[in-house]
Amino acid sequence: LAKTTQPISMDSYEGQEVNITCSHNNIATNDYITWYQQFPSQGPRFIIQGYKTKVTNEVASLFIPADRKSSTLSLPRVSLSDTAVYYCLVGDRYNTDKLIFGTGTRLQVFP
Amino acid sequence: GAVVSQHPSWVICKSGTSVKIECRSLDFQATTMFWYRQFPKQSLMLMATSNEGSKATYEQGVEKDKFLINHASLTLSTLTVTSAHPEDSSFYICSAYGQGRDNEKLFFGSGTQLSVL
Repeated sequence: LAKTTQPISMDSYEGQEVNITCSHNNIATNDYITWYQQFPSQGPRFIIQGYKTKVTNEVASLFIPADRKSSTLSLPRVSLSDTAVYYCLVGDRYNTDKLIFGTGTRLQVFP
Repeated sequence: GAVVSQHPSWVICKSGTSVKIECRSLDFQATTMFWYRQFPKQSLMLMATSNEGSKATYEQGVEKDKFLINHASLTLSTLTVTSAHPEDSSFYICSAYGQGRDNEKLFFGSGTQLSVL
């Protein structure tokens, strides 16, 4: 069963870059790495997904080393509205027993 | 990305009554949907996998007679909490994988906050 490990919480200030790392030592060949953002009383929102190397979109970057046993979500220049819980999810649609969320990382951004 | 719509957003009911929550894939077909439960300040817990046209698959410890799942079409799955009790109060969230270039992306509904009095 795929398992992910993330820091429980992180603090940052507005305008800083935030990097959140997720460990997934048991990642399988077919697994994708997906990051979600969740605000209180809302469903998780898709942020970014990758399989290997680096992926960048309009809101974040995802760095995945060659062994794929970890991944790092990078949020450039965070604002107060980025205060949320961030989850990494590892798996693929054909192995739904891996749809297990870890603890997530509670990011608090201060002014 | 794909849109998953969930209703209602919140519901308050009396103990002993049943509550139905709907989950719809708005612009794509979803043969499989997933139901999660989340308690305050905790992570999401997978409850069951909803399969179109067949029985749902429940995770260990989740009572299938308590949480009835019906996936009657390719765009709709429902979760019915039967004979609800205060301990069933929680945040329920559904999800589904997208299609095409979103094939490996899991999209979530906005969640339903259930309060049982």
